[in-house]
Amino acid sequence: SAVISQKPSRDICQRGTSLTIQCQVDSQVTMMFWYRQQPGQSLTLIATANQGSEATYESGFVIDKFPISRPNLTFSTLTVSNMSPEDSSIYLCSAGHAYNEQFFGPGTRLTVL
Amino acid sequence: AQKITQTQPGMFVQEKEAVTLDCTYDTSDPSYGLFWYKQPSSGEMIFLIYQGSYDQQNATEGRYSLNFQKARKSANLVISASQLGDSAMYFCAMREGSAGGTSYGKLTFGQGTILTVHP
Repeated sequence: SAVISQKPSRDICQRGTSLTIQCQVDSQVTMMFWYRQQPGQSLTLIATANQGSEATYESGFVIDKFPISRPNLTFSTLTVSNMSPEDSSIYLCSAGHAYNEQFFGPGTRLTVL
Repeated sequence: AQKITQTQPGMFVQEKEAVTLDCTYDTSDPSYGLFWYKQPSSGEMIFLIYQGSYDQQNATEGRYSLNFQKARKSANLVISASQLGDSAMYFCAMREGSAGGTSYGKLTFGQGTILTVHP
C-alpha cells in the first residue's frame, strides 16, 4: 500500500488568491492523480500528474486555473488559482503502485470567502 | 451515459445484519477494474476492495465481499455483520484500460450511497 499525506489539511482563503496543496507519498509511484469533491458530491478527476512532463487535464479543467507540478515520483502539488467561492471543495490526491490499488490522501478542505 | 451508477442514495441496516450496496457500470473496454471506497464524515477515502474484469472469483476482504456479475455489469458490495462504525458514504469506482494507456489508472466514481447502521 501507499501512505499519502497532504498539506494543508484545510484552509480558508479570500477570493482572488491562490492556494498550493502538497501531496507526498511514502514510496515511489507511477501514477498520481488530483480529484475534487464539491460539497455533497462525488469525486471528479481534475488531472493526472505526470512526472517530468505537463499534467493531463480532464474536460472542464485547465492548466491556468489548476497548475500541477510533479518534480519526482513521490511528490506533487496542485495550485488553485484566482479562487472564487465555487472552488470551495475537498481536494484529494491519489496514487498507486499497481493496477489493483489506488490510495487517497486525507484531503484538503478549502473554503473560499 | 453514466459510467458508474449507484441507485441507492441511502441505505439503513441493523447492527450485525448484512447489507448490499448496488453498483452497475458501463464500459466497452474488456480490461477494467472496480473499486469500492468508504468515506466517513472526516472526509478521508478508505480503500475497501478491488475486482478485476478478468478475475474468476469474487473478491473478499474481511467483512467485505464483492458480488461481481460481469454479464449484468454489476459489482455490488456486501458488508456482513454490520457495525456502527460502518456508517459512512460508500463509493463505487471504475478504472478502464490496460497498463501503458494514456488514461490508465484514473477512476470514475458513482454518486455514492450513504449507509446508516442502527444499533
